[in-house]
Amino acid sequence: KAGVTQTPRYLIKTRGQQVTLSCSPISGHRSVSWYQQTPGQGLQFLFEYFSETQRNKGNFPGRFSGRQFSNSRSEMNVSTLELGDSALYLCASSLGQVVGTDTQYFGPGTRLTVL
Amino acid sequence: KNEVEQSPQNLTAQEGEFITINCSYSVGISALHWLQQHPGGGIVSLFMLSSGKKKHGRLIATINIQEKHSSLHITASHPRDSAVYICAVRSNNYGQNFVFGPGTRLSVLP
Repeated sequence: KAGVTQTPRYLIKTRGQQVTLSCSPISGHRSVSWYQQTPGQGLQFLFEYFSETQRNKGNFPGRFSGRQFSNSRSEMNVSTLELGDSALYLCASSLGQVVGTDTQYFGPGTRLTVL
Repeated sequence: KNEVEQSPQNLTAQEGEFITINCSYSVGISALHWLQQHPGGGIVSLFMLSSGKKKHGRLIATINIQEKHSSLHITASHPRDSAVYICAVRSNNYGQNFVFGPGTRLSVLP
């Protein structure tokens, strides 16, 4: 089976712009979660989806949003980009309904740089 | 105080040494994960634990639910084990979030 794929792998944006990142889970996985990783804050949970429903959201401003499609692919969007949004954005997929209660498979990440 | 803490923060070992990385947490959990992250960012899930002990090759993970503590052991360490090891818990609190430790950076010298 193909692993989790994320596109694009690298992205450079300027402050105030908006960005959309995409994640394709492993075939058959219905749970997708998103994480932000920065040198200062480490890994932080953004949100999780199961069967097109957002199950939970981390402590991030409303500029961060996401969705999941019927084929389990997911997108996350960040509007009005700020310098502090520069980070590695990772998504992970799993079989189970509750993220974190079975093995998660991570994608390679999208490295976002905001200038 | 962070919900998930790890020690040590950095660890340098000689090839062949036995290595232990510790994780303690302060919240109720559904499961605890050990993750490995190599330079470049890719993360691999090593173990998921809700009780007891698991072994995979040279890696052993244990968890003590009562003490809210987990350990990751690497036997006969090798330079290819050099990576950041991250403990993460599925919390029963705080809206069921997935909470990460700060990571332990391991360097194994030949």
